[in-house]
Amino acid sequence: GESVGLHLPTLSVQEGDNSIINCAYSNSASDYFIWYKQESGKGPQFIIDIRSNMDKRQGQRVTVLLNKTVKHLSLQIAATQPGDSAVYFCAGLYGNKLVFGAGTILRVKS
Amino acid sequence: DVKVTQSSRYLVKRTGEKVFLECVQDMDHENMFWYRQDPGLGLRLIYFSYDVKMKEKGDIPEGYSVSREKKERFSLILESASTNQTSMYLCASGPYRVSNQPQHFGDGTRLSIL
Repeated sequence: GESVGLHLPTLSVQEGDNSIINCAYSNSASDYFIWYKQESGKGPQFIIDIRSNMDKRQGQRVTVLLNKTVKHLSLQIAATQPGDSAVYFCAGLYGNKLVFGAGTILRVKS
Repeated sequence: DVKVTQSSRYLVKRTGEKVFLECVQDMDHENMFWYRQDPGLGLRLIYFSYDVKMKEKGDIPEGYSVSREKKERFSLILESASTNQTSMYLCASGPYRVSNQPQHFGDGTRLSIL
């Protein structure tokens, strides 16, 4: 018989283009957000973080934007490379606990 | 460089067995965490510990227990393994009460219960 599974959102981008991965959160109690990257067969790897008193933070080829008004977080990757292919998770810290989004699959086409 | 090490990458056990998953961190972190990761469900917190011999239930503690006898080591125990506990298990550590530091993860243990 048929089986129905849950599918992660997928973003496909051309190598060299910019990628934007989005995340919405419902609880405004968190003052700290993190983006993780998870490659196949590995654990989540820290990419970049942002405190709630900031709107934007930049790293190497990555930028995180935080819009507290609409409770939205985004990760921008400049000049996307094949090595960026992975699942990306946002997470918010509530007390000592991280609450994770379901993740987005980023596929980079060469 | 930070390091969280999980003792096994792959593990196959039988229904009813008692299963131990081990995790060690070398960052002197107070907090340690066990998550399970299932397709489409993201990471779900099973248990966490903020000090030696201390533990707190996460969102899905049923069927699991934990042990933290030393600061650097956090063990997850499946008392009587069942097939619905087949999953990827991830351990993480993080500093206590420091709100601007991320948790660091191990590479996971893929556990199959037959």
